Amino acid sequence: SAVISQKPSRDICQRGTSLTIQCQVDSQVTMMFWYRQQPGQSLTLIATANQGSEATYESGFVIDKFPISRPNLTFSTLTVSNMSPEDSSIYLCSGGLRNNEQFFGPGTRLTVL
Amino acid sequence: SQQGEEDPQALSIQEGENATMNCSYKTSINNLQWYRQNSGRGLVHLILIRSNEREKHSGRLRVTLDTSKKSSSLLITASRAADTASYFCATDEWDSNYQLIWGAGTKLIIKP
Repeated sequence: SAVISQKPSRDICQRGTSLTIQCQVDSQVTMMFWYRQQPGQSLTLIATANQGSEATYESGFVIDKFPISRPNLTFSTLTVSNMSPEDSSIYLCSGGLRNNEQFFGPGTRLTVL
Repeated sequence: SQQGEEDPQALSIQEGENATMNCSYKTSINNLQWYRQNSGRGLVHLILIRSNEREKHSGRLRVTLDTSKKSSSLLITASRAADTASYFCATDEWDSNYQLIWGAGTKLIIKP
C-alpha cells in the first residue's frame, strides 16, 4: 500500500493568484493522478502526472491553467493558475500501482474569493 | 478509505453478454457513484445516483440503488471489448467532508 500526503490541506486565495499543491507518496508508485472534486459531485480527472515529462491532460484541462510537475516517482505538484471563484474545489492526488490499485491523498480544499 | 465492498472481485464474460457488478456500503449516504479505470489510466466517472433515486441510465449503463439494503448494482448491457476495465463504486457519506469512500473494485474482462 501507499500513504499519500498533500499540502496545503486547505487554502483561501484571492482571484488572479496561483496556488501550488504538493503531493508526496511514501513509496514509489507507477502512476500519479490529479483530480478535482466539487462538493457533493463526482471526481474529475485533470491529468496524469508523468515522471520527467509533461503531464497528460484530460479534455477541458490545459497546461497553462494547471501546470503539473513530477520530478521523481514519489512527488508531484499541481498549480492552479490565475484562479477564479469557479476553481473553488477539492483537489486530490492519487498514486497508482501496476495492478491499478489506487491510493488517494486527503485532498486540498481550495476557496477562491 | 474504503467502506464499500464490491462483488464479484473479478468477472470474465463473452462480448455481447451483460455484466453486473454489485456494491454494498455501511453508512447513510448522499449519493453513490460508479467509476471505471482502464489499465494504466486514471479513474473516469460513469454515473452518479442520489440517495432519493432508485435507478439511473446512461447509454448501456444501468445503475440501481437500494438504500434499505445499502447496496447498488451496475449493469453493462451488450458488453464490448472496450469495457474491459476495473469498476469502482464510491459513496459520499452523510455529514462527511465530501470525501469519497471507495470500494475495492471489480475487474471486468470482456472476451472477444
